[in-house]
Amino acid sequence: QVQLQQSGPGLVKPSQTLSLTCVISGDSVSTNSVAWNWIRQSPSRGLEWLGRTYYRSKWYNEYAVSVKSRITINPDTSKNQFSLQLNSVTPEDTAVYYCVRAKDGYCLNWGQGTLVTVSS
Amino acid sequence: QSVLTQPPSVSGAPGQRVTISCTGSSSNIGAGYDVHWYQQLPGTAPKLLIYTYNNRPSGVPDRFSGSKSGTSASLAIAGLQAEDEADYYCQSYDSSLSGWVFGGGTKLTVL
Repeated sequence: QVQLQQSGPGLVKPSQTLSLTCVISGDSVSTNSVAWNWIRQSPSRGLEWLGRTYYRSKWYNEYAVSVKSRITINPDTSKNQFSLQLNSVTPEDTAVYYCVRAKDGYCLNWGQGTLVTVSS
Repeated sequence: QSVLTQPPSVSGAPGQRVTISCTGSSSNIGAGYDVHWYQQLPGTAPKLLIYTYNNRPSGVPDRFSGSKSGTSASLAIAGLQAEDEADYYCQSYDSSLSGWVFGGGTKLTVL
């Protein structure tokens, strides 16, 4: 059974960097048939896909246009995890952030969610 | 404003059948991209309900079904039960945005 365990700070100051980590159990971050995603949810923006990383003989990253200039998603094969970094945050980035394992374009497994508040 | 449009709320009595629509455009559902549905109970992460139009993961009752026509998709729930009260979201891929898009969510109330 695949489980995703998220960690990271719940409070980030404006203009700083939001960093979250998702530890994978029951699967490998290097599995060829799945993709590892970050999705956030807020009352104002609903569910919003942020980006993904996946391995198909080499590593690929894809990011949503809305955050493309500010986001980095990295796999860490040594720790079987992947991470999210979102730079230059504003209060609009306040949301519950989820790490998600996906296959064939749909979300199979979700992390527990992390409420990140952007405030000074 | 979400790329996929869902009604904010629907309701029905126990035992009844309700449908939730998900309207897209020619760059997502109308382009033939798959539609998936999720159920979210309060305080929890969304859970996969229907994938690729009308496939159910193990453990999802066959009271839930999906369909698609043109630029829209629908989720039908038959034999409503109190435990079905939740938020429901549709999801697809959009070629103009080169990424996944979600509906704004529909709150189902079981009367």
